[in-house]
This record gives sequence, structure tokens and C-alpha cells, in this order.
Amino acid sequence: EAGVVQSPRYKIIEKKQPVAFWCNPISGHNTLYWYLQNLGQGPELLIRYENEEAVDDSQLPKDRFSAERLKGVDSTLKIQPAELGDSAVYLCASSPDRGVVGANVLTFGAGSRLTVL
Amino acid sequence: AQSVSQHNHHVILSEAASLELGCNYSYGGTVNLFWYVQYPGQHLQLLLKYFSGDPLVKGIKGFEAEFIKSKFSFNLRKPSVQWSDTAEYFCAVNAANNNDMRFGAGTRLTVKP
Repeated sequence: EAGVVQSPRYKIIEKKQPVAFWCNPISGHNTLYWYLQNLGQGPELLIRYENEEAVDDSQLPKDRFSAERLKGVDSTLKIQPAELGDSAVYLCASSPDRGVVGANVLTFGAGSRLTVL
Repeated sequence: AQSVSQHNHHVILSEAASLELGCNYSYGGTVNLFWYVQYPGQHLQLLLKYFSGDPLVKGIKGFEAEFIKSKFSFNLRKPSVQWSDTAEYFCAVNAANNNDMRFGAGTRLTVKP
């Protein structure tokens, strides 16, 4: 099993540039999460999908951040334009449906580290 | 929404010392509780979880945690730490009726050889 795959692992951009992150969850995992992790802090939820539906995007700064999960599998997270304060690690995680063995247990990807100059 | 607080930002221990990391959550309903660990340069991974039943749960590598409902706590323990336990530890909680997972700020554990 490949696990949760994220790309790119590292991205350095100048402020005001756009950036996109991609996530491929574990096959069969219907719930997908995007978290932001600042240095020395815990993951903070940005958006959660159940299949292709965004069921919780209350923490997503919608003026510059957007996300999509077409066909309920892969997901992309976009920032446009990026600001200095967006420098962080963007984590993707997935979990099975509720009622399925392993539900509520998140499997994380390696993360995408963004540096905005 | 639920929230999680971890009391210790950075803990430094010598090998063989005992460990206890504090975790408290706030949520009025039934919760699932987790500890995740992030070793240097690696992914976040599950250490142990509590869903129901025996409030003392055992995880990998000799770790255990005790759910005390009256205190809204889920502290992580290990009787004797090793240098390889050096990592960042995150407590997490989700409401039992949804998949909304929230994390604490984390505790960095440094074990001196």
C-alpha cells in the first residue's frame, strides 16, 4: 500500500505567486483532510471532504485558498496569491468511512513544505 | 467544535526516566481520543487510540494512555523512555459522531542518551 501521497514535498515561491498542492489518499478512504502545520504547533484543520463534498471548510481562508476533490479521490489545495504568513507545512490525511474498520484513524502524508519569500 | 490542550511544550528526559505527557480536551459529548507521534523527518503516525471500553489503552513501543472522563484527560505514559522516543507527540480528539479531528499543539520530547 502506497500510503497517502503528497506533492510537491518542497516549494519555494515569492509572495503574490500562486501555488498548488496535490494529494492522493489511500485507496478506499472516503474522508480526506487538509491540515496546516506551523513550526512548533499542531496540525490545524483547513478543510475536510467526505467523498467529493467539502463538509467542513470553516477554517479555510477563502479569499486566497481553494480546494477541490474531483471524483472523490485526489485533491488539490491552491493558494493564490501566497503571502509570507502562508509559509508552513500542508498536510493531507485520509481515513475510511464511519462504520468501517479503521474509521476515525487518520493516515497522514509526508506533507508539502511551503516557503514564501 | 472540540479543542485539545497539551500542557508541556518541551520535555527533556534522560534514558530510563518515566514519561507522562498531559492532554485535556473540551467537548460535551462522546469522543474518540488519539495520540500521534512524529519522529524527526517522518510522517505523523498513530501511537494509540481510545474509542470505548477499558480506559487504559496500550499502544506501540510500550506507550499507554489513560482516559479519565471526569477530568477530560487522556495523558500519555511510558515507564522507561529510550533515546529513540525523541519525537513530537500530538494529542487529538474527534467527536464520536463525526470525522472532525482536532489536534493539540504538541509536546516535543527530547531523550538524552
